[in-house]
Amino acid sequence: NAGVMQNPRHLVRRRGQEARLRCSPMKGHSHVYWYRQLPEEGLKFMVYLQKENIIDESGMPKERFSAEFPKEGPSILRIQQVVRGDSAAYFCASSPPSSGYEQYFGPGTRLTVT
Amino acid sequence: GQQLNQSPQSMFIQEGEDVSMNCTSSSIFNTWLWYKQDPGEGPVLLIALYKAGELTSNGRLTAQFGITRKDSFLNISASIPSDVGIYFCAGQTAGGNEKLTFGTGTRLTIIP
Repeated sequence: NAGVMQNPRHLVRRRGQEARLRCSPMKGHSHVYWYRQLPEEGLKFMVYLQKENIIDESGMPKERFSAEFPKEGPSILRIQQVVRGDSAAYFCASSPPSSGYEQYFGPGTRLTVT
Repeated sequence: GQQLNQSPQSMFIQEGEDVSMNCTSSSIFNTWLWYKQDPGEGPVLLIALYKAGELTSNGRLTAQFGITRKDSFLNISASIPSDVGIYFCAGQTAGGNEKLTFGTGTRLTIIP
């Protein structure tokens, strides 16, 4: 049973470019969460999605960031016009539909903006 | 916003020693989770706690959900080299299908 998968593992973008981060949840999981982690800090919640719905985006910056979880395919976190401050590790987690208490994390995507 | 404070921030111990760390909150949580993160990897779930006062074990790990619902403790007995890493507590307020609020982390180092 494969775990949460994220790709790419490392992504380098120049300022002003777009970054697309992908997340495939564990088999049978229909809830996806995105978190951001700066060096030497804990994870900070960004957005919670179910298939085709954004449930909670209270941690998402209002501009340049968007997320989706389509009916088919992985969840996508998109960052437009990246800036140096967007450099961080972005983690995706998933939980099963019946109980969302336990969230299982992917290996993360490390975004570096040059 | 809610904050989870972990202590100690870092620990240096010898192999075989027991470890204790805790997590405190300014507000009530209804679920507590403990994760371990290795460098360059995502957090791995160690233990989940669902009821105030609950004491749960997973091998050499034991965690407790504080009675006030504002704190939780993690103990590791007889530490081994693979215990090295950063330990995070995380909480949910409503319980289930909602965001996790993470603590600041405790970095565990084992001195040879």
